[in-house]
Amino acid sequence: SQQGEEDPQALSIQEGENATMNCSYKTSINNLQWYRQNSGRGLVHLILIRSNEREKHSGRLRVTLDTSKKSSSLLITASRAADTASYFCATEETSGSRLTFGEGTQLTVNP
Amino acid sequence: ETGVTQTPRHLVMGMTNKKSLKCEQHLGHNAMYWYKQSAKKPLELMFVYSLEERVENNSVPSRFSPECPNSSHLFLHLHTLQPEDSALYLCASSRLFDDSYNSPLHFGNGTRLTVT
Repeated sequence: SQQGEEDPQALSIQEGENATMNCSYKTSINNLQWYRQNSGRGLVHLILIRSNEREKHSGRLRVTLDTSKKSSSLLITASRAADTASYFCATEETSGSRLTFGEGTQLTVNP
Repeated sequence: ETGVTQTPRHLVMGMTNKKSLKCEQHLGHNAMYWYKQSAKKPLELMFVYSLEERVENNSVPSRFSPECPNSSHLFLHLHTLQPEDSALYLCASSRLFDDSYNSPLHFGNGTRLTVT
């Protein structure tokens, strides 16, 4: 069964608005990571949050982690057209297995 | 530039062909990965070379054969593929520390494979 599931599958907003994407997972984790993928390119690591952390910031990105609900959210503030991409969450399970990725959220920021 | 280079960027091959995908990393990482990305599906981990040990995903067909001659280079040899193998094949690398902590993955830009 799938470990990470992003919600929504697709999101379309106007430039300047905030974008929120959610990720749910099933098992205990060491950390949760968010990646971004532009069309036709590889994934780029954005931010990592450990299981003992609740919130982390990096520039316009804010990530939260709720281990009791097994969920995480990625907030992009003051979005730009250049933020248009697919965003994936990935979990590293405590069992030591490799990163497991979700299907991603396709974000479109309209100028 | 991601530090992970994949060639070729695009590949079209018939079902009877034999071809190889190449990946090279200059980040000093000691783990390398092959992922398959198909439309509407999560990224699928195919193979991992970690600390010179190969870990396989048992669901990967034998028509895919990896090779890792050293810590900087990774190949995926392809033979007698099927049309459903058409996908984006991504290589990634990471730094694996002794306590099993794994740094985030660095991905190449992938090879877009089409099997006709």
